[in-house]
Amino acid sequence: EAQVTQNPRYLITVTGKKLTVTCSQNMNHEYMSWYQQDPGLGLRQIYYSMNVEVTDKGDVPEGYKVSRKEKRNFPLILESPSPNQTSLYFCASSYVTGLATSGANVLTFGAGSRLTVL
Amino acid sequence: RKEVEQDPGPFNVPEGATVAFNCTYSNSASQSFFWYRQDCRKEPKLLMSVYSSGNEDGRFTAQLNRASQYISLLIRDSKLSDSATYLCVVKMDSNYQLIWGAGTKLIIKP
Repeated sequence: EAQVTQNPRYLITVTGKKLTVTCSQNMNHEYMSWYQQDPGLGLRQIYYSMNVEVTDKGDVPEGYKVSRKEKRNFPLILESPSPNQTSLYFCASSYVTGLATSGANVLTFGAGSRLTVL
Repeated sequence: RKEVEQDPGPFNVPEGATVAFNCTYSNSASQSFFWYRQDCRKEPKLLMSVYSSGNEDGRFTAQLNRASQYISLLIRDSKLSDSATYLCVVKMDSNYQLIWGAGTKLIIKP
């Protein structure tokens, strides 16, 4: 089954304790992205990657890191989490050609990771 | 002003009724438009793309008004299962970035 898998789905941690949220897709998509979602706000992009070893900042990159060593994986790293990073996080992927074509948006999302930082 | 704006709702609508909501965008260079549906605490899923000529998919109709810079979504004969948050998404063809609205919450009541 074609899917984007995020882990963990739920995590409670404490301020300053490094954590990694993994994201893996099995569709051979070039494009991968991390979004943050808070109540009353739209999805805000944290980082995205157009292909292996190519990553770029989105709208809210502060406090986050990513890496793209393999096509299928795009982990989100919080080196020193703080309470204001308590949020719902989504990973998504797509073919680059899909994004480039007006009528072929095919973002596939993971199920989300709910993170609480105490 | 936000780049993409939506009425947050909630829209409380009786089952079987027709409901419509809009999404306004600020950048006239926006080229591609989409509606996503998001159920509570779940991932967004593409509902439909919005074409310049308007398009229909069953009970759902999407329209684009470039002059006034908004898109609309109309749902006919609403079902209880239509209860969700509807997210408006805008993309400039000059890049791969998607700009998301905060969503309109729809509640269909029996």
